[in-house]
Amino acid sequence: GAVVSQHPSRVICKSGTSVKIECRSLDFQATTMFWYRQFPKQSLMLMATSNEGSKATYEQGVEKDKFLINHASLTLSTLTVTSAHPEDSSFYICSARDHGRANTEAFFGQGTRLTVV
Amino acid sequence: QKEVEQDPGPLSVPEGAIVSLNCTYSNSAFQYFMWYRQYSRKGPELLMYTYSSGNKEDGRFTAQVDKSSKYISLFIRDSQPSDSATYLCAMSGSNYKLTFGKGTLLTVNP
Repeated sequence: GAVVSQHPSRVICKSGTSVKIECRSLDFQATTMFWYRQFPKQSLMLMATSNEGSKATYEQGVEKDKFLINHASLTLSTLTVTSAHPEDSSFYICSARDHGRANTEAFFGQGTRLTVV
Repeated sequence: QKEVEQDPGPLSVPEGAIVSLNCTYSNSAFQYFMWYRQYSRKGPELLMYTYSSGNKEDGRFTAQVDKSSKYISLFIRDSQPSDSATYLCAMSGSNYKLTFGKGTLLTVNP
């Protein structure tokens, strides 16, 4: 099946610093990628939809200036958590669809566990 | 009412049992239905994918979608300890934005 690679898998940063997470589709092109956040024992909550070559679409309640999304190519989207604080500590997961195939499922990356200290 | 309702469990069964997991939803625009398996601290892994109503079988797994009742199910036959994980239902409309259930934690005891 299609492979989505997410990096890093784990990161610890100091409060006030920024962290960049990468999401790559390895064997297909994805015009759209999705970013989710998951708190312990909770479900995945969609944060934003990343569109190649245009601005991301953010879900209600998600600060676009804090969670910067860049989708510069058909195989790469990045999420930057700016001025991170301990409450941003969470599991961040990206997903992507093969835009060349209709009615297909989304594949997920391995996730990034962010801890802000 | 939440868009997708899923009993979080936990659910504990003996090895070899048939497991039944289900979700209900309220948004009639949903047309893509998925089941994901998630191990602790890992990304979700797609198990089953169904477009619109009907049944789909893959090995020990069977997914059912009843759009008239807004109800989807996942059945696991001959459950194994390696099936122990959190199972998430997810669904979307034509925009492919997934809405997830809370997940059901399953433990299969040897």
